[in-house]
Amino acid sequence: EPEVTQTPSHQVTQMGQEVILRCVPISNHLYFYWYRQILGQKVEFLVSFYNNEISEKSEIFDDQFSVERPDGSNFTLKIRSTKLEDSAMYFCASSFMGGRSNNEQFFGPGTRLTVL
Amino acid sequence: AQSVTQPDIHITVSEGASLELRCNYSYGATPYLFWYVQSPGQGLQLLLKYFSGDTLVQGIKGFEAEFKRSQSSFNLRKPSVHWSDAAEYFCAVGADTDKLIFGTGTRLQVFP
Repeated sequence: EPEVTQTPSHQVTQMGQEVILRCVPISNHLYFYWYRQILGQKVEFLVSFYNNEISEKSEIFDDQFSVERPDGSNFTLKIRSTKLEDSAMYFCASSFMGGRSNNEQFFGPGTRLTVL
Repeated sequence: AQSVTQPDIHITVSEGASLELRCNYSYGATPYLFWYVQSPGQGLQLLLKYFSGDTLVQGIKGFEAEFKRSQSSFNLRKPSVHWSDAAEYFCAVGADTDKLIFGTGTRLQVFP
């Protein structure tokens, strides 16, 4: 069964450093997403991406964040200068359709980011 | 604004007992509703979804959920819980656009 994969599973970084979280969505999916879950809190939407551009972003997704689909298979989230409050589990998701259509999103196992 | 409330942070049941996890949503139009499960160290797995039609939906692993518009609820049920069902359960609503809005989750503990 196809699945979303994410690397690394755990990333530890120093405050102010750049990190790139990587995701390989399901191959025939067209919509890609990043969510995050701060420990003990709810899963929060960060950004959605379609047709090589951001289709929606939350207020969390400020100028320190960027996303990219550098090739036909990977989808990355970059945090330019990490802060302590960026420590969280980051989930990548993908779906074949988007919007209010059959928007079944498939989630990866997550990357736990720890900022020291 | 859309929101999801899961009133129960932690639920403990005995194996073989029935289960109901509560979910209430706030959304102006007909919602798209989802239940996801997260086992330790795992990602979010979709259990079931409601888009339209029959208000009682069947999912994987023997779970079902009932959409009740009058109560703005989408409670998850299982008639007989197995130890392997111990996990965190998230209710989510599909918003006006692509994003899913999640509840805070309910942690299920199962005693033998």
